[in-house]
Order: sequence, then structure tokens, then C-alpha cells
Amino acid sequence: GAGVSQSPSNKVTEKGKDVELRCDPISGHTALYWYRQSLGQGLEFLIYFQGNSAPDKSGLPSDRFSAERTGGSVSTLTIQRTQQEDSAVYLCASSSRRLAGSTDTQYFGPGTRLTVL
Amino acid sequence: AQTVTQSQPEMSVQEAETVTLSCTYDTSESDYYLFWYKQPPSRQMILVIRQEAYKQQNATENRFSVNFQKAAKSFSLKISDSQLGDAAMYFCAYRPPTYSGAGSYQLTFGKGTKLSVIP
Repeated sequence: GAGVSQSPSNKVTEKGKDVELRCDPISGHTALYWYRQSLGQGLEFLIYFQGNSAPDKSGLPSDRFSAERTGGSVSTLTIQRTQQEDSAVYLCASSSRRLAGSTDTQYFGPGTRLTVL
Repeated sequence: AQTVTQSQPEMSVQEAETVTLSCTYDTSESDYYLFWYKQPPSRQMILVIRQEAYKQQNATENRFSVNFQKAAKSFSLKISDSQLGDAAMYFCAYRPPTYSGAGSYQLTFGKGTKLSVIP
């Protein structure tokens, strides 16, 4: 596609429910990132996928958070048993990582605003 | 760990004037990448400009330019001839070098500067 797309744009859920957020990266981009943007914490890295390599999950805040990337393209971020502190904007970005030393600029989607009541 | 500091939570500028947004960072690396992103109310993070640390020349993109001071670890953004459409949150971001290992390519962001443009 022309850019990174994310769905849904907004999601309201009740505490304790599970949610799935979707990211469709730019066609041909091998790297995909998830970030969380909240008022108190700013922008935080969550998880990184690169091709078929094992993902870097070092930014996931708890084991309630998980993500997968199917076929090296679309990614789904799942939050189980949502809590009010999970309320934030979840941003996805993709980049074309090919050459060592490349700038590897990340291009962002419009984000999903998650509200946990 | 790398840190990025934006010391100006809010700034304002008169339309057609020039404004400079500040950013400092901390790293022990000698080769890295720096970015400025713009986030309007639509939430879309838009790349404004990028700088490779090994390049001494300051990056420019039309009305946007940076003042990259590597020794001082400073990376300020200058917006010339400000326009109403420039009003947004601006985030400074750092990315470590490629050789720093797997899982090290995430961006570290500053807290952001909210820029208002006065007509």
C-alpha cells in the first residue's frame, strides 16, 4: 500500500477484555515496530520484527501483551485482560532494512487509540 | 541507555517567522541517526528531517533545517517562514547504529514540543 495502515482507528473496551490491534506495513518493508504513546510515558518501544528473525520483545510491559507477524507482512498486537493503564495510542511503523549502515527510516501509521473503561 | 531530552514543552511562533526547537541526547556511540517527526492532531507521525551522525553537514528539507552539534550532543530543528500547517507536536528521536546488534533499531523519543503558529 501507499503507507502504513492500522485498524481500528479507535477502540473502546471494558477492563478485563482482550483486544487485537492490526498493522499493515508498507509493501516490501521487512521491519515492523510497535510503539505505545501515553500521556505519562511518552512514546515507548514495544516490539520489533525483522523478516523471519525472532522478534525483539524487550519493550513489552507485561505478559498480557503479545504480537505476531504473519507471512512477514501484517502484524497483530494482542492485549489480554486489559487494564485502565493500557489506555494509550498504539503506533505501528515499518522500514526497509536492507543495507548495513542504512538510515532505516521508520514510517508510521495513524495509530489506534485504545480506551479501557 | 540512550536518552533524548526536549526541554521546551510548548513553543509559539508568528506566521512567516522562524522558530528553533531544541533537542539534546545522550549516547556513547559515535555513529547513529537522529530524526525529527511531526505529529499533528490526526496522530500521524510524519518524518520531517533526518541526520546521520557521521555527516558533518547539517540536513535541510525545504523550510526545515537542523543544527547538529555532535560534540555537544545537540540536534535542534529550525523552521523558517512558519506556516499554519506547521502547528503540531514535534518529536526528536535517536536510533542507534546498525552494528549495535539485533533488536537495537528502535527509536528513542523525546517528550515532544507542542508548536503553535499564530496567524
